Amino acid sequence: GEDVEQSLFLSVREGDSSVINCTYTDSSSTYLYWYKQEPGAGLQLLTYIFSNMDMKQDQRLTVLLNKKDKHLSLRIADTQTGDSAIYFCAEKGNTPLVFGKGTRLSVIA
Amino acid sequence: DAGVIQSPRHEVTEMGQEVTLRCKPISGHDYLFWYRQTMMRGLELLIYFNNNVPIDDSGMPEDRFSAKMPNASFSTLKIQPSEPRDSAVYFCASSHLTGTSSPNEQFFGPGTRLTVL
Repeated sequence: GEDVEQSLFLSVREGDSSVINCTYTDSSSTYLYWYKQEPGAGLQLLTYIFSNMDMKQDQRLTVLLNKKDKHLSLRIADTQTGDSAIYFCAEKGNTPLVFGKGTRLSVIA
Repeated sequence: DAGVIQSPRHEVTEMGQEVTLRCKPISGHDYLFWYRQTMMRGLELLIYFNNNVPIDDSGMPEDRFSAKMPNASFSTLKIQPSEPRDSAVYFCASSHLTGTSSPNEQFFGPGTRLTVL
């Protein structure tokens, strides 16, 4: 079945770049997503990438997709304390979204 | 639109009591999802509905859990009897499935934090 794996924790210093990685299993996924969950809130869509793209950039965010290895990453440049949150990778294949467990990003001032 | 609405935001109950969580999806959305989030297990899909019909409830942990969607604008998740290990944040989300040719965004409610003593 479909599965999405990501590491649970990441800690970075303010001003550094953060890279959050994700692997997925469904090769038919047409879109891959990154959701962000701030403390005490629900998940919100951060960005997404179509499966025929290798890279998508949006201000401080860069999404890289390696379809051959089924690997997705989210890079946050110049990480700020406000970026502290849980980041979820998700894929869309033949069913509604399948989410990973989430990566908790801690930014150290 | 007010977004996905969940109530209550916080619930504290004693073991053995019945708990009912409520959700109002975004108007026009035809999918509704119930998730549970804990530190240990992360985000888990419990059940989802399409056009008020349960499609997949394989994530419901036990018979103590049940979910209903009597109409397009309301759903409930019930736990009876509740146990301390049910303590978690429960999220409701809704979406309008656009097919494989378009991105599909799920909109999440703020969650209900359940504590079972």
